[in-house]
Amino acid sequence: KAGVTQTPRYLIKTRGQQVTLSCSPISGHRSVSWYQQTPGQGLQFLFEYFSETQRNKGNFPGRFSGRQFSNSRSEMNVSTLELGDSALYLCASSLAFRSQETQYFGPGTRLLVL
Amino acid sequence: KNEVEQSPQNLTAQEGEFITINCSYSVGISALHWLQQHPGGGIVSLFMLSSGKKKHGRLIATINIQEKHSSLHITASHPRDSAVYICAVPTSGGGADGLTFGKGTHLIIQP
Repeated sequence: KAGVTQTPRYLIKTRGQQVTLSCSPISGHRSVSWYQQTPGQGLQFLFEYFSETQRNKGNFPGRFSGRQFSNSRSEMNVSTLELGDSALYLCASSLAFRSQETQYFGPGTRLLVL
Repeated sequence: KNEVEQSPQNLTAQEGEFITINCSYSVGISALHWLQQHPGGGIVSLFMLSSGKKKHGRLIATINIQEKHSSLHITASHPRDSAVYICAVPTSGGGADGLTFGKGTHLIIQP
């Protein structure tokens, strides 16, 4: 079975721009979660999607949004980028939306905002 | 909201040593995750446990629900075990929400 894939792997943007990141879960997995990892804050939960519905959202501003498609693929969007948005963005997929399911992580997208 | 503390933050040991990493949380949980992150960023889920003990190869994870504490042990450590180990718990404890992560333990195993 193919693992979780994320595109692009690396991205450089400037302040004020917007960015869209993509995540393809493991086949059969219906839940996709997104996380942000920075040196200062560590790993933080962004949101979780299951069956095209956002089930949970972490403590992030409205500039961070996402969606999930009928094939379970998910995208996250960050608008009006700030320097502090520079981070590794990870997605993880699991069979169900409850966070006690084993999560399988993608390789991440490393975003640099200049 | 759950708070997670890991110790130690950094650990350097010699090959072959027995390693213990600790994780404490504040709110009762349905399950706890142990993750491994290698340089470069990739994260692997090592264990998900809700009670007792789990073993996979040289890795052992234990959890004490009453004490709100979990440990990850590595037996016969090897340089390839060098990584960051992170524990994670459901943010509100119940499980139907996101995860809250510890700051991680940076482990270096020297040959």
